[in-house]
Amino acid sequence: RKEVEQDPGPFNVPEGATVAFNCTYSNSASQSFFWYRQDCRKEPKLLMSVYSSGNEDGRFTAQLNRASQYISLLIRDSKLSDSATYLCVVNAPRKLIFGQGTELSVKP
Amino acid sequence: NAGVMQNPRHLVRRRGQEARLRCSPMKGHSHVYWYRQLPEEGLKFMVYLQKENIIDESGMPKERFSAEFPKEGPSILRIQQVVRGDSAAYFCASSPTGELFFGEGSRLTVL
Repeated sequence: RKEVEQDPGPFNVPEGATVAFNCTYSNSASQSFFWYRQDCRKEPKLLMSVYSSGNEDGRFTAQLNRASQYISLLIRDSKLSDSATYLCVVNAPRKLIFGQGTELSVKP
Repeated sequence: NAGVMQNPRHLVRRRGQEARLRCSPMKGHSHVYWYRQLPEEGLKFMVYLQKENIIDESGMPKERFSAEFPKEGPSILRIQQVVRGDSAAYFCASSPTGELFFGEGSRLTVL
């Protein structure tokens, strides 16, 4: 089993749609969780941390389910500029482990 | 307020040559991570360093790859006798605590 596993992509959605990405992780001892965004294979950029109680940042909502070892990212009212690859990231001892990424393409 | 600085941005080498990639972390950060992204693949952890110490090199290939972070100067990822399969984007990141901040990457092409 991969340490961090994400939904396969790509996701093709129209502008204004709501889209959800899922991610599972294998290490039950993991304590830190993040979503990163990567555009056209440029450097990954931190989108948001994921907190136990769930957290929201504008149109983005992140959820964590420790019992199921599952993380999600919800994007509401998607914009053309949201088109990117979304990376689920989980900490392991002394490093962060990145998922393969899920590609999102938002169309007009 | 410079971010993580990597150079060169692009590097072309012929098989058998050496590649040296440099990374200066954000000011005040003393932890450096190197990740590799092969074409069409995700980011893979290579090595984690603090000044003058390798903390975790579990992701480094056993041969030809080495990394250092000296007391003075940037961190260096060194690839000896490069092969075509080394062609990839190499990202460096630094961290205050927890989250990582990435440089723009060094793209190595091996001919």
